[in-house]
Amino acid sequence: QQQVKQSPQSLIVQKGGIPIINCAYENTAFDYFPWYQQFPGKGPALLIAIRPDVSEKKEGRFTISFNKSAKQFSLHIMDSQPGDSATYFCAASTLSGYSTLTFGKGTMLLVSP
Amino acid sequence: DVKVTQSSRYLVKRTGEKVFLECVQDMDHENMFWYRQDPGLGLRLIYFSYDVKMKEKGDIPEGYSVSREKKERFSLILESASTNQTSMYLCASSLYQGGNQPQHFGDGTRLSIL
Repeated sequence: QQQVKQSPQSLIVQKGGIPIINCAYENTAFDYFPWYQQFPGKGPALLIAIRPDVSEKKEGRFTISFNKSAKQFSLHIMDSQPGDSATYFCAASTLSGYSTLTFGKGTMLLVSP
Repeated sequence: DVKVTQSSRYLVKRTGEKVFLECVQDMDHENMFWYRQDPGLGLRLIYFSYDVKMKEKGDIPEGYSVSREKKERFSLILESASTNQTSMYLCASSLYQGGNQPQHFGDGTRLSIL
């Protein structure tokens, strides 16, 4: 069964810290890796995504690092703020026609003031 | 902005009832999805649809069915509700087929089965 394993389950950092959330996958056919951010009471929203042809992608304070040989990818949040407190989901899919997203189980991040 | 609207934020039903959860998107997206979200289990795909009147099973379809009679509307049906179907249900849509299409989510329906 296709799986994406995400860790940690929860994370507390101080404002300005750099939380890191890790994901590992098994299916070598996966070639698209998005991260979704979910605030309480809201649905998830796409935050940032990466293809395996690059090892890193940055968008503002959010960075994805990708290690194809280890089949791992991670999300780093630079200079974290209390407003970043949310649940983060990694996901994976193939790019082919009827592909669907396989989500990790989520990481609840709390950034303390 | 894409708007995905789920008809109810909170719903309480009784065991054995037939339950309908409705979802409407306003951006002419081809694809629509139903997930359930449970603590510690993440998002699990129940059913999805790539076209009107078309449906495909996801990872956990047992006890559920879906209907897509119009492009903008995707309904999730619990044929005979059971307590283990108490959960948060999320609807999503995406523009085209393909795993790299962003999925736009509604804000969810929290369903309690008593």
